[in-house]
Amino acid sequence: GAVVSQHPSWVICKSGTSVKIECRSLDFQATTMFWYRQFPKQSLMLMATSNEGSKATYEQGVEKDKFLINHASLTLSTLTVTSAHPEDSSFYICSATGGSYEQYFGPGTRLTVT
Amino acid sequence: EDQVTQSPEALRLQEGESSSLNCSYTVSGLRGLFWYRQDPGKGPEFLFTLYSAGEEKEKERLKATLTKKESFLHITAPKPEDSATYLCAVQDTGSSNTGKLIFGQGTTLQVKP
Repeated sequence: GAVVSQHPSWVICKSGTSVKIECRSLDFQATTMFWYRQFPKQSLMLMATSNEGSKATYEQGVEKDKFLINHASLTLSTLTVTSAHPEDSSFYICSATGGSYEQYFGPGTRLTVT
Repeated sequence: EDQVTQSPEALRLQEGESSSLNCSYTVSGLRGLFWYRQDPGKGPEFLFTLYSAGEEKEKERLKATLTKKESFLHITAPKPEDSATYLCAVQDTGSSNTGKLIFGQGTTLQVKP
């Protein structure tokens, strides 16, 4: 149980384009989903928290107009990186919680902006 | 301010050589302490949740313990497949409504055959 998927697992896009990453909870309803960013050999950095049907809460320093988050249903959240630039290249990971305190993580999405 | 510090940053063990990883934390009120395992290029895998001092949990060769200031992840007779980065995270009672986790920097474990 408690399986979270992400799609795509990796994506390459050109500078200036937008890319959407999906996060799905497969066997539970996710009341809250989280989006993290991870740089090589570093820990996870929380970008934003989203609740179904509500606007996402962004962490300090995260540009909400650049990283658009939509939590459309209890099983789906999306992160759209708009007008991507090479510095946005990173490993993006989502997690979900279904009401308990544990967060279950997706497998991550490797974004490379050329 | 909530803070989580893990030590050591890296640990090399021979297969069968038991050891412990440390996670020291500072929070105004602890809702829960979480241990995750992360393999390269993958998302963290949930291992344990500890809620109160004195609590212990076990899974195969791993045992997690908790005091009021720190948690230990004990690895007994490790195997090469235990090689990974182990992450510790805390949830403050003040963030229980949002579920926000504060992560440590992780301990990278390498077990040599």
